[in-house]
Amino acid sequence: ETGVTQSPTHLIKTRGQQVTLRCSSQSGHNTVSWYQQALGQGPQFIFQYYREEENGRGNFPPRFSGLQFPNYSSELNVNALELDDSALYLCASSWTIDTQYFGPGTRLTVL
Amino acid sequence: KQEVTQIPAALSVPEGENLVLNCSFTDSAIYNLQWFRQDPGKGLTSLLLIQSSQREQTSGRLNASLDKSSGRSTLYIAASQPGDSATYLCAVFRTNAGKSTFGDGTTLTVKP
Repeated sequence: ETGVTQSPTHLIKTRGQQVTLRCSSQSGHNTVSWYQQALGQGPQFIFQYYREEENGRGNFPPRFSGLQFPNYSSELNVNALELDDSALYLCASSWTIDTQYFGPGTRLTVL
Repeated sequence: KQEVTQIPAALSVPEGENLVLNCSFTDSAIYNLQWFRQDPGKGLTSLLLIQSSQREQTSGRLNASLDKSSGRSTLYIAASQPGDSATYLCAVFRTNAGKSTFGDGTTLTVKP
């Protein structure tokens, strides 16, 4: 167990809806990263938050947004869901960019 | 644009064999390289992290090497066990802002 938790475990939404995924970082970690993993592929970096500020972003459109809170928990928000957004969403916490500790993921299905 | 390739995509070996997993990347300007393990439907577990200035790291039966000039890393697993069965992913981190590129992984099956 890494101490990183994510909720919910599974989620089903319809196209056009909005979704919020949550991550609770490991104690003491000030950095959280979010990834999207399609079936059979490696994770793709969405963005990273360091001390409540976004400090790195991958090639994802603005409808993917996030927040990091003072207690270092985090949210990933996705607006205007598309079918291709169906994936496993992973968060990882770390102390700066050292070893990342991943949560179990949230499986999102968009119908 | 950084591209990471892992070969082979799948590997099946009998218990006890030593094996090597390969990872290649196209841009040598990296911050660090990490190897992860992923069990079906689960998150990732970090196995080894190699800083840009390092050549290898070891942990137990695992040894990872890094050759930035050729854009290659290998993960060596000694005396494989059925419990090693999982997907192994390598990831190249370009900056300390987490910008990373993952390979699609090698799925390893170790048969008793």
